[in-house]
Amino acid sequence: NAGVTQTPKFRILKIGQSMTLQCTQDMNHNYMYWYRQDPGMGLKLIYYSVGAGITDKGEVPNGYNVSRSTTEDFPLRLELAAPSQTSVYFCASSNDFLTDRRYSPLHFGNGTRLTVT
Amino acid sequence: GQQVMQIPQYQHVQEGEDFTTYCNSSTTLSNIQWYKQRPGGHPVFLIQLVKSGEVKKQKRLTFQFGEAKKNSSLHITATQTTDVGTYFCAGGSSGTYKYIFGTGTRLKVLA
Repeated sequence: NAGVTQTPKFRILKIGQSMTLQCTQDMNHNYMYWYRQDPGMGLKLIYYSVGAGITDKGEVPNGYNVSRSTTEDFPLRLELAAPSQTSVYFCASSNDFLTDRRYSPLHFGNGTRLTVT
Repeated sequence: GQQVMQIPQYQHVQEGEDFTTYCNSSTTLSNIQWYKQRPGGHPVFLIQLVKSGEVKKQKRLTFQFGEAKKNSSLHITATQTTDVGTYFCAGGSSGTYKYIFGTGTRLKVLA
């Protein structure tokens, strides 16, 4: 069981270039999230999705776009990359409520380390 | 918008000493989750608290959720070198499915 898979692992972009960070999960989770983590800092929510076709902004959405055409995939698009977008990007997924009505934990991918120069 | 703060930002302890990190939310939470991130790794789920005043234990780790469901703490008794990492709380809000992470506490354990 692969869980949450992110590609690529590393990428260097020039200022103004665009790219798509891929995220796919094989756990049939409804909820998916994109976070960024700057060096030595916490995680900031960029976008999240509660199901196919439904996305919503998080804390720091500017400069990013997402789509959710299937349950499995939640790509993150960077348009016109800027040095401020240098970060590690984590994708996560979670399920509906567990059987005891507790919330499902977030399952994280291994991250994409992006440098914009 | 919702903010989640953690203190301290860093903590260095001698092996065998206790450690506590505190998490405070600007809004009332539906639940709080705790994660551990090893250097170079991704966050890994530790535990979830849902009820007001809830206390949960995992071996040497004790987690508490405040009565007002706006704060939480993680206490580690007799730290070991394997406890090294950054501990994050993540607050969930009622009616949404988004989780806002705290700023994290980086723990270093000196042998």
